[in-house]
Amino acid sequence: QVQLQESGPGLVKPSETLSLTCTVSGGSINNYYWSWIRQPPGKGLEWLGYIYFSGSTSYNPSLKSRVTISFDTSKTQFSLRLSSVTAADTAVYYCARDLGVRFAPWGQGTLVTVSS
Amino acid sequence: QSALTQPASVSGSPGQSITISCTGTSSDVGSSNLVSWYQQHPGRAPKLMIYEVSRRPTGVSNRFSGSKSGNTASLTISGLQAEDEADYYCCSYASYSRVFGGGTRLTVL
Repeated sequence: QVQLQESGPGLVKPSETLSLTCTVSGGSINNYYWSWIRQPPGKGLEWLGYIYFSGSTSYNPSLKSRVTISFDTSKTQFSLRLSSVTAADTAVYYCARDLGVRFAPWGQGTLVTVSS
Repeated sequence: QSALTQPASVSGSPGQSITISCTGTSSDVGSSNLVSWYQQHPGRAPKLMIYEVSRRPTGVSNRFSGSKSGNTASLTISGLQAEDEADYYCCSYASYSRVFGGGTRLTVL
């Protein structure tokens, strides 16, 4: 069965770019959307964007200018880049397979703290 | 794109039924049947409980059910159990993107 695992730095400095990778194992990337979702400490979930297996993307309008989601060349991983981060971007970041507003499975999540 | 509106908290006693509402607009909840619900226990990743308004994934108890009327979707949990105490989030399609609700804390008294 498909499993997802987030990886990347746990600490990012203000104004820098947050970069995370989601590794997909046990299944194919084909024919699915792949989303990034985050959750600030003690707060709710926020959808950041998705990449479709074809490579097309869609982003949360409130973050669109700062978010980029892409596949690696082997298409076994997809990545999130969030530029010009501030303390408000501190959150647990999740990746998830997206079968059309049907997120399953999810990765375990990774906490990213923005601090100098 | 504004977050969908959910009550901050609901509560019920074991064995009772509760309903959590998720209100959006004609541009999101009202625009399609692509509404899903997630259960999240502290420190854990969310778990899909309902998709496409009322479908249950394999393995999810039939005590969980979903419905929608106009711009409002609802999650009903019947026969409340202690293990149902968690945060619940709705999510909807919204013009090639997705939007979550603010979340509801369910307390089992």
